[in-house]
Amino acid sequence: EDQVTQSPEALRLQEGESSSLNCSYTVSGLRGLFWYRQDPGKGPEFLFTLYSAGEEKEKERLKATLTKKESFLHITAPKPEDSATYLCAVQAWRGSNYKLTFGKGTLLTVNP
Amino acid sequence: EAQVTQNPRYLITVTGKKLTVTCSQNMNHEYMSWYRQDPGLGLRQIYYSMNVEVTDKGDVPEGYKVSRKEKRNFPLILESPSPNQTSLYFCASSNDRAEAFFGQGTRLTVV
Repeated sequence: EDQVTQSPEALRLQEGESSSLNCSYTVSGLRGLFWYRQDPGKGPEFLFTLYSAGEEKEKERLKATLTKKESFLHITAPKPEDSATYLCAVQAWRGSNYKLTFGKGTLLTVNP
Repeated sequence: EAQVTQNPRYLITVTGKKLTVTCSQNMNHEYMSWYRQDPGLGLRQIYYSMNVEVTDKGDVPEGYKVSRKEKRNFPLILESPSPNQTSLYFCASSNDRAEAFFGQGTRLTVV
C-alpha cells in the first residue's frame, strides 16, 4: 500500500525566514511525486511534478527536490501570501489509473 | 481559461435524498476523478474515468456512482446519501503527464 507522510503538520515562519517541508513516501514503482498548494475552502493547486531521484523544480520562492525515499519543498524568504496547506502526493505505476495518494499536508503560516 | 467547474459549491441535504454533483472540464483531458477530503484522512479517491464510458472504483467507492457520457463531464451521484458522506468533494481532470487539476470543491452536509 502506498503511503505518504508529511512533516511537520504545521509550521510558523516569520516573513523572510527560509525553511523546508518534508514528504516521505513508500510506493511500489514511483511514476511521479506531486506537490500542491491548498488555500482554505479551495481545491488543491498544482505546483510541481518530480519523476526521478535527483530531480529539482523551482517556481518563484519554492524549490522541490526528490530522493528515493523523500521529497523536500524548500521555501526561500517566504511572504505572508505563501501561507497555505502544502500537499504531497505520489502516483504509482498501476496501469491507467492516475490515482494520487496524498499526505495529510503541512499547514504553513508566514507572519509579516 | 483552463478550469474544472463543480456545482454546487455548498449543499445541505437530508438522508436518503438522491443528489448529483456536476463536474465539467474544458481542457480536453481523457482522465477525470473524484476525491473526498476529510479531516485527519486527507484526500481519497472515490472513482475515476479513463475516457467516455470507462469508469472504475477508487479507494472509497461505497455509496457513490458516476457516469461519463461526454468527455468534458463527470458527475458524481449519491443515490441515498448518509451522514457519513458529509465531506468536501473535489473533481479533478488530469493531463497525459498525470498532473491533476482540481475544481473548487463541493462541501456536502447530510443531516
